[in-house]
Amino acid sequence: DQQVKQNSPSLSVQEGRISILNCDYTNSMFDYFLWYKKYPAEGPTFLISISSIKDKNEDGRFTVFLNKSAKHLSLHIVPSQPGDSAVYFCAASGANSKLTFGKGITLSVRP
Amino acid sequence: DSGVTQTPKHLITATGQRVTLRCSPRSGDLSVYWYQQSLDQGLQFLIQYYNGEERAKGNILERFSAQQFPDLHSELNLSSLELGDSALYFCASRPAGSYEQYFGPGTRLTVT
Repeated sequence: DQQVKQNSPSLSVQEGRISILNCDYTNSMFDYFLWYKKYPAEGPTFLISISSIKDKNEDGRFTVFLNKSAKHLSLHIVPSQPGDSAVYFCAASGANSKLTFGKGITLSVRP
Repeated sequence: DSGVTQTPKHLITATGQRVTLRCSPRSGDLSVYWYQQSLDQGLQFLIQYYNGEERAKGNILERFSAQQFPDLHSELNLSSLELGDSALYFCASRPAGSYEQYFGPGTRLTVT
C-alpha cells in the first residue's frame, strides 16, 4: 500500500516558467512533509519542508503548499532554471521520524 | 556535501555472498536511517538507530541486519544475497529536534 503517491512520473517545463510538482498521501498520522531533490549518482538533497500545522512555506524560488483536507501537497518552483532538472521526491514523516517516500518525479527544464 | 559518508560507493558480488555497507553520520547526529532504492521504486525505509539502539524497523528482510557503534557509525549487513537485492542503499542522519534527514551519496550494490 503506497502511502505517498507522486502520480506523474515526469514533467517538462520551459526555463523561466513555473514548475508544479504534486504529491498525495493517505495516512492522516503524517505530521511533517519534505521535498528532496536527487541528481544521478548522488544522494537525495533536502530542499524544503512544511509542518502539518501550516499551509504554506516559502524559501526563495521554492514554495510548498499543503492542503490537509485533501491530503495533498505541491512544490512550486518559480522561475524554473535548467539546473533544477532532477528527480524530486516527496516524503512524509510519521512515527520515529522515519520518512515515507513517493516514487519521485523527473523534472526537465528546457532552456 | 551533506556531511554523511558512505563506503564503498560501488559493490559487485555474487549470489549467496555477504557484504557490509558502512555509514558515518554528520557530526553530532545520533540518529541513523537506512533506505533501499530499487529500480523504479522510491526509497524504502529499512531500519533506524539512535545512539546505538535500534529504534524502528521497516521493510527489512531477515537476511539483513544493522548496528550502530559507540562512535555512531553504522553498518548494514546483507547476507545470502539474491539478484533482487541489487539496489542503491542510502544512509541518512538526522539532527536532534529536526525532521530533516541528510543523506549520504549511497552504495550501489550489484548482485550477479
